[in-house]
Amino acid sequence: SQQGEEDPQALSIQEGENATMNCSYKTSINNLQWYRQNSGRGLVHLILIRSNEREKHSGRLRVTLDTSKKSSSLLITASRAADTASYFCATDFKAAGNKLTFGGGTRVLVKP
Amino acid sequence: GAVVSQHPSWVICKSGTSVKIECRSLDFQATTMFWYRQFPKQSLMLMATSNEGSKATYEQGVEKDKFLINHASLTLSTLTVTSAHPEDSSFYICSASGVGLGNQPQHFGDGTRLSIL
Repeated sequence: SQQGEEDPQALSIQEGENATMNCSYKTSINNLQWYRQNSGRGLVHLILIRSNEREKHSGRLRVTLDTSKKSSSLLITASRAADTASYFCATDFKAAGNKLTFGGGTRVLVKP
Repeated sequence: GAVVSQHPSWVICKSGTSVKIECRSLDFQATTMFWYRQFPKQSLMLMATSNEGSKATYEQGVEKDKFLINHASLTLSTLTVTSAHPEDSSFYICSASGVGLGNQPQHFGDGTRLSIL
């Protein structure tokens, strides 16, 4: 099974609301990254959080990492219709160098 | 910076045709490139890791004779789907990581939608 599992699989919210999605993984990691994918497009890198970091912010994005629980969360505050996309977490772990393993993704729909 | 260009973005071809997809790093040297496959509404599955000047490393279950990967320079990797069949139809995405960028993100191309008739 995949290293990262995400929940929820899908999320529908109103513009202005916050969106939270979670990612769990199984083995010790170097880094955990979050990516966004608009329909039919490639992935856009959002945030990279290292295994020794606990929280990171980038604009309206907040990522947390709990290595004891092997989990991470991505919070999008004050969502906009343009945030509608699929969001994936990806981990790289010590034994595999820079190779990424992706979670199943969360499809977020932000309704105007 | 860190732009990855993937070409073509969309290809339709007949069964039995071989299709080549290019992945270029435009403004950095990519020592390693990765090829992924993505089915509709699913996640990315790593197919192979390609290092410049050496043979690609394929993930379990990926046929290396079916999916030929060449990484001849620090800015270009190609994936050739040989004798493609309808079951090979999918979205293929490449990514690249640069020299000495162990803690840096991979940079992704925009993907290639392959449809085999």
